[in-house]
Amino acid sequence: GQQLNQSPQSMFIQEGEDVSMNCTSSSIFNTWLWYKQDPGEGPVLLIALYKAGELTSNGRLTAQFGITRKDSFLNISASIPSDVGIYFCAGHDNYGGSQGNLIFGKGTKLSVKP
Amino acid sequence: EAQVTQNPRYLITVTGKKLTVTCSQNMNHEYMSWYRQDPGLGLRQIYYSMNVEVTDKGDVPEGYKVSRKEKRNFPLILESPSPNQTSLYFCASSLGGLHYEQYFGPGTRLTVT
Repeated sequence: GQQLNQSPQSMFIQEGEDVSMNCTSSSIFNTWLWYKQDPGEGPVLLIALYKAGELTSNGRLTAQFGITRKDSFLNISASIPSDVGIYFCAGHDNYGGSQGNLIFGKGTKLSVKP
Repeated sequence: EAQVTQNPRYLITVTGKKLTVTCSQNMNHEYMSWYRQDPGLGLRQIYYSMNVEVTDKGDVPEGYKVSRKEKRNFPLILESPSPNQTSLYFCASSLGGLHYEQYFGPGTRLTVT
């Protein structure tokens, strides 16, 4: 099936640093979602974006719906050890046949050094 | 508390022994889905359901069955499990319609020997 290109695949940063990651698609999306998965747990929804250009924050997290509707960005400011995990982007591409199905990126694994 | 629950959380079984992983949501969601997650392959959709009695194949349906007799439950059935079905399985649900935000269960780690 179709997949999103998510980068970077992994990041190893120092506590307190800011983090940026992004997802790109070859098709236009009408919804972008960002999830975080802790080891051995299910993904948890962090931020949902619905309009091109939309910028939404959730605490130290900020995500943007790209103007082209083919990309999205997630930033984490002043990282802390509990930010460790895998971050996934997901999108809905608005094709009639895809119904409620989401397309997922392969994830960015974030490691934070205290 | 609004949630998606899965049982069991961990299961070790042998090849060919039928098993069922249950999934239940208490949010009155119309859409439900099953995924498997494997290293390097990300989340792959197995089956999904738009509503009661409506199910359809995802990207990797071979070897799996599902049913949706009630809105809240969406069990995943492995009639004859094989070692290549060893994986981490997630159930998810969403409101449906134009609401695409999916909420995931805690996962079921299945090992088939």
